[in-house]
Parts: sequence; C-alpha cells; structure tokens
Amino acid sequence: NAGVTQTPKFRILKIGQSMTLQCTQDMNHNYMYWYRQDPGMGLKLIYYSVGAGITDKGEVPNGYNVSRSTTEDFPLRLELAAPSQTSVYFCASRPPGGGNQPQHFGDGTRLSIL
Amino acid sequence: ELKVEQNPLFLSMQEGKNYTIYCNYSTTSDRLYWYRQDPGKSLESLFVLLSNGAVKQEGRLMASLDTKARLSTLHITAAVHDLSATYFCAVDIPNRDDKIIFGKGTRLHILP
Repeated sequence: NAGVTQTPKFRILKIGQSMTLQCTQDMNHNYMYWYRQDPGMGLKLIYYSVGAGITDKGEVPNGYNVSRSTTEDFPLRLELAAPSQTSVYFCASRPPGGGNQPQHFGDGTRLSIL
Repeated sequence: ELKVEQNPLFLSMQEGKNYTIYCNYSTTSDRLYWYRQDPGKSLESLFVLLSNGAVKQEGRLMASLDTKARLSTLHITAAVHDLSATYFCAVDIPNRDDKIIFGKGTRLHILP
C-alpha cells in the first residue's frame, strides 16, 4: 500500500500566486485532514473531511479551500499566496469510524512563499 | 474545549539516562496516541492507548495512560542517540471520532 501520498514535495511560490496541494490515500479511509506545521512548532488543523462531499473548517482555515469529491482525494487550494503561508503541509487520513485508530500521515509538502 | 499539554517542550539528555515526557489533557477521553517526528520528516504512529491503565512498550519506549488523572507518560529507558526526535501526544475529542487534538510536541535531544 502507498498509504497517504502528497504532491508536490517542495514548492516555491510568489506572493499572490495560487496552487493546489494534492493528497490521495489508497486505504479507503473516510476521514482526511490537512495540517500545517511552522518551523519548530506543532500541528495546526486547517480543514478536515469525514467523507466525500463533506468538509469542515479547522483551527486556521483562512486563505485555504478544500474539496472532497472522492474518498481517495482531498486537495488543498491556496488562493493569493502570502508569506505567512510558508510552512510544511501534512495530509493525514483515518480509517472508517475513526476511533481507536491513529491518523496516517503523508510525507508533507514544503511550501515557501517569496 | 479539549486542551492537550505536553511537558517538557524541550529536553536535552545524556545517553544512558532515563526520562519521562508528560501529556495532560483537559477533558475526559480514553483514547490517546503518541507519535514520533524526526527532523524534516513526517509523523509516525508509536503507540495507541485505548483504556485506563493501558501500557504499551516498544524497545526503550514505554507509554501509559491514566484516564482518571487525564495523564499519559512516555518513558525513555537508557536513552540512545537514535531516539532524538520530537514526540507528540494526541487525544480524541470525547464522543467524536473525527478529530484529534495534538499537543505542541516535546523536542528530545539525546547527547552522545
């Protein structure tokens, strides 16, 4: 199993540009999450989804959008990139029912906004 | 609102020593998770603790859960340099299985 796959691994954007961070999982997990991790800090939840067609805001949703059209994919879109969005972005998923199971994390996307 | 606090946040220790990382949480929950993150890498699940009194061990690491005290500990025995990493605890929100609240992490540096 590939698990949770994120692309790209690295990206540099200019201020005001837009991009989509891709996340796909092949474990048939209902729950998917997007976090950001600033240098030396913990995780902050951006958005999450409990299934196709359902998304909800996390702690820091401003400046981001998500969609969940399939169980497998949960892309994160940055509109009008700002330097404050420089961070490492992690996608995670969790099995159906969620409880009693840890989240599985992708390798992350390192994003710099210059 | 569930809050998860870890301490210490930074720890530098010598090889061969024992130490404990603490994870306190603010509301009742009986599901707690420990993760490890190496520098520049993703998070890896270490332990899943699902009930009061649960204890899990893997090598030099042992995790335990006391739901009455709302406390989990991660004990390191005879530390080795390879255990240098950031350790996160995370707790399920009560009566929900869709969100986990993470602590801020404990950055552990083991000196040879």
